[in-house]
Amino acid sequence: DTGVSQNPRHKITKRGQNVTFRCDPISEHNRLYWYRQTLGQGPEFLTYFQNEAQLEKSRLLSDRFSAERPKGSFSTLEIQRTEQGDSAMYLCASSLIGQGVEKLFFGSGTQLSVL
Amino acid sequence: GIQVEQSPPDLILQEGANSTLRCNFSDSVNNLQWFHQNPWGQLINLFYIPSGTKQNGRLSATTVATERYSLLYISSSQTTDSGVYFCAASTGANSKLTFGKGITLSVRP
Repeated sequence: DTGVSQNPRHKITKRGQNVTFRCDPISEHNRLYWYRQTLGQGPEFLTYFQNEAQLEKSRLLSDRFSAERPKGSFSTLEIQRTEQGDSAMYLCASSLIGQGVEKLFFGSGTQLSVL
Repeated sequence: GIQVEQSPPDLILQEGANSTLRCNFSDSVNNLQWFHQNPWGQLINLFYIPSGTKQNGRLSATTVATERYSLLYISSSQTTDSGVYFCAASTGANSKLTFGKGITLSVRP
């Protein structure tokens, strides 16, 4: 059973650069979520997709953040013009809606450091 | 939005001891899940439990939705149980979860 895969595991970038993270969900899962976690806090919801449709993006932190899931399979999260405050762990999770149960499975995350 | 509070914030146990972790939430929930974040940062889903009681090995969880709390029980704790335990809840039919601040558990040999 292949779990949720995220790449890269670590990303170090300079302030002002653009970065893109990739998430491959569990293959049969139809929902995909992005969360962000800072040190000492619980994950914070950013956006989610059902198949290729982005159902909510109002919680993306600013217009520098965008996410896509072009064919309803993998997803990318892009941050433009990175700032030091963007340093965090970016987590992807997927789920399969069925019979009213939605259990979330997380990837290992991408740790972003903005210098 | 919904508020999720967990207690205690930190817990230290001797191996073999039992423990109870609590999660209070401020609104009716359609979705409540417990996660364990191991020392390497991986979040593992322990339970999907918006109501009722479930058991999985040494772990069990109970959610009393009408009283807006959930409990996670760990019996015969092991050093591998160490890490941070998160409760997360949503009021909608999705997993736009609001997480608590977590409970840091340290199990000593």
